[in-house]
Amino acid sequence: GAGVSQSPSNKVTEKGKDVELRCDPISGHTALYWYRQSLGQGLEFLIYFQGNSAPDKSGLPSDRFSAERTGGSVSTLTIQRTQQEDSAVYLCASSLGVSYNEQFFGPGTRLTVL
Amino acid sequence: GQNIDQPTEMTATEGAIVQINCTYQTSGFNGLFWYQQHAGEAPTFLSYNVLDGLEEKGRFSSFLSRSKGYSYLLLKELQMKDSASYLCAVRITGSTLTFGKGTMLLVSP
Repeated sequence: GAGVSQSPSNKVTEKGKDVELRCDPISGHTALYWYRQSLGQGLEFLIYFQGNSAPDKSGLPSDRFSAERTGGSVSTLTIQRTQQEDSAVYLCASSLGVSYNEQFFGPGTRLTVL
Repeated sequence: GQNIDQPTEMTATEGAIVQINCTYQTSGFNGLFWYQQHAGEAPTFLSYNVLDGLEEKGRFSSFLSRSKGYSYLLLKELQMKDSASYLCAVRITGSTLTFGKGTMLLVSP
């Protein structure tokens, strides 16, 4: 079956612009996670959803970052007024539920802020 | 803060065995995960340990000692395709994972 998909695969933007990243989880997966991976750094947790609610937003780096999930499926991560330090690969993962161990990752969106 | 340490790089020869260590100091513990990530690709799940001991899955095994805050991933009969980054991650509370920076493994002929 189809895995986790993310779009766009690459995004180049100018400092100060807003960007929206999209994640389509595996069908039937109720839990969805956003991470980012900067060069030379480990994966950094941003936010997760159980259904449409986000119990843990502790990883969002600033109030410029927000995320939503609708219909228990697609999620969007929005970064407002992008800064150069936002440049990273943004990865989305999904799992059957929060109590399931295996998270399936999408291919990521590479964001470059000029 | 949370601390998860793994070696930055390791090299090994095709057909050999390699052990990648991970130590952690975290405020809680609810499981340790290993992921494999090839360059430019998404991480893929390898193993999960929550109790002390060894979990074996084909050529890959993972060990956990909770009292020592220590885990290792053992790869046997190395193949060229095993060249990748190996990520150690701890589930501290809830369902979110805290990752180490990863160990880049290079397998040479």
